[in-house]
Amino acid sequence: GAVVSQHPSRVICKSGTSVKIECRSLDFQATTMFWYRQFPKQSLMLMATSNEGSKATYEQGVEKDKFLINHASLTLSTLTVTSAHPEDSSFYICSARAGLAEGNYNEQFFGPGTRLTVL
Amino acid sequence: DAKTTQPPSMDCAEGRAANLPCNHSTISGNEYVYWYRQIHSQGPQYIIHGLKNNETNEMASLIITEDRKSSTLILPHATLRDTAVYYCIVRLRMDSSYKLIFGSGTRLLVRP
Repeated sequence: GAVVSQHPSRVICKSGTSVKIECRSLDFQATTMFWYRQFPKQSLMLMATSNEGSKATYEQGVEKDKFLINHASLTLSTLTVTSAHPEDSSFYICSARAGLAEGNYNEQFFGPGTRLTVL
Repeated sequence: DAKTTQPPSMDCAEGRAANLPCNHSTISGNEYVYWYRQIHSQGPQYIIHGLKNNETNEMASLIITEDRKSSTLILPHATLRDTAVYYCIVRLRMDSSYKLIFGSGTRLLVRP
């Protein structure tokens, strides 16, 4: 199956700093990428959807100025948590969807996740 | 999109079959049933999907009722590594604007 990687796998930062998380589709071109957040013992919550070369679409209640998403190429999307605070500590998971032309019929593949801890 | 209902938790003995049910009574004719699982502190993993016929792959079998209002994911010989949260999702397969939304899933515990 298609592989999606995330970097870093874990990050600890001080309150007020910004953190960038990368998501890459390694063996396919992802027309659409998704970012999810997951708090302990809860399900995944969709934060935003991004299409290559266009602005991300954020779900209701997600601050677009705080969670900056860039999808500059068909294999890379980044999520930047700006001015991070302890309540932003969470497990962030990206997902990439191959287009119909890739022969994967819109299947969605997930990265391993990034554990963010804000002190 | 059709909503799904799953039991919050289940358990089974190692080596036995794990049967995870899912109700999707409002599923439409062109919506597929997908199953994912999430092992602790990892990203979700695709397991299997189907439209109306039963499906089997190296990981599991998917049994969909004739009226398509419910389905069962079967792990034929559960191992301790199958302990995870299992999500049943119905979706339009060819819809390029689709967003995968996760419910609360079923937490499966495989006992030694």
